[in-house]
Amino acid sequence: EPEVTQTPSHQVTQMGQEVILRCVPISNHLYFYWYRQILGQKVEFLVSFYNNEISEKSEIFDDQFSVERPDGSNFTLKIRSTKLEDSAMYFCARLTGFYGYTFGSGTRLTVV
Amino acid sequence: SQQGEEDPQALSIQEGENATMNCSYKTSINNLQWYRQNSGRGLVHLILIRSNEREKHSGRLRVTLDTSKKSSSLLITASRAADTASYFCATDRNTGGFKTIFGAGTRLFVKA
Repeated sequence: EPEVTQTPSHQVTQMGQEVILRCVPISNHLYFYWYRQILGQKVEFLVSFYNNEISEKSEIFDDQFSVERPDGSNFTLKIRSTKLEDSAMYFCARLTGFYGYTFGSGTRLTVV
Repeated sequence: SQQGEEDPQALSIQEGENATMNCSYKTSINNLQWYRQNSGRGLVHLILIRSNEREKHSGRLRVTLDTSKKSSSLLITASRAADTASYFCATDRNTGGFKTIFGAGTRLFVKA
């Protein structure tokens, strides 16, 4: 059973639409992260989230992106108005022990 | 160049041979991790080596770290076709959220 579950596994959306990607860590942890990977490219850091606040974010994480943990369990990444270049795999991760990470299996977002 | 650069970009070997992948980085790190990614799937944590360690083993994996050269290597011994995947190194700096920076990866293909 995966420790970090992401839903949906694949989402297709029209350009300009809002999407919400969800991450459900089983254990109650404080540190969470979102990464994305454009097809064939490197895994890029988007944002880290600690104790229900953004801890750090990259230049990719602009005003179109937001994260929250609305019910203290699910961890969401919202893209307000998707662009074609947002098409990528999005990975949620949590900190595991000392400096290791457990990644979810990812959500493949396709913007058409 | 980016933190965490792997080489070679691609590697093709015969089953039973050893595979060596290298990673170089720019800044001081707390630790370095290696991940594996099967095509279109999530990231799987393989091994973590701390900055005060020089070598670490896990099954058929051997990781070395040379902080003076800011480089690491991942050796997979007696490779199998199932080892075919992309391998990424990732470095951690203590930025208050343990942001992990990934390299572009080495695509390993093991021929049966």
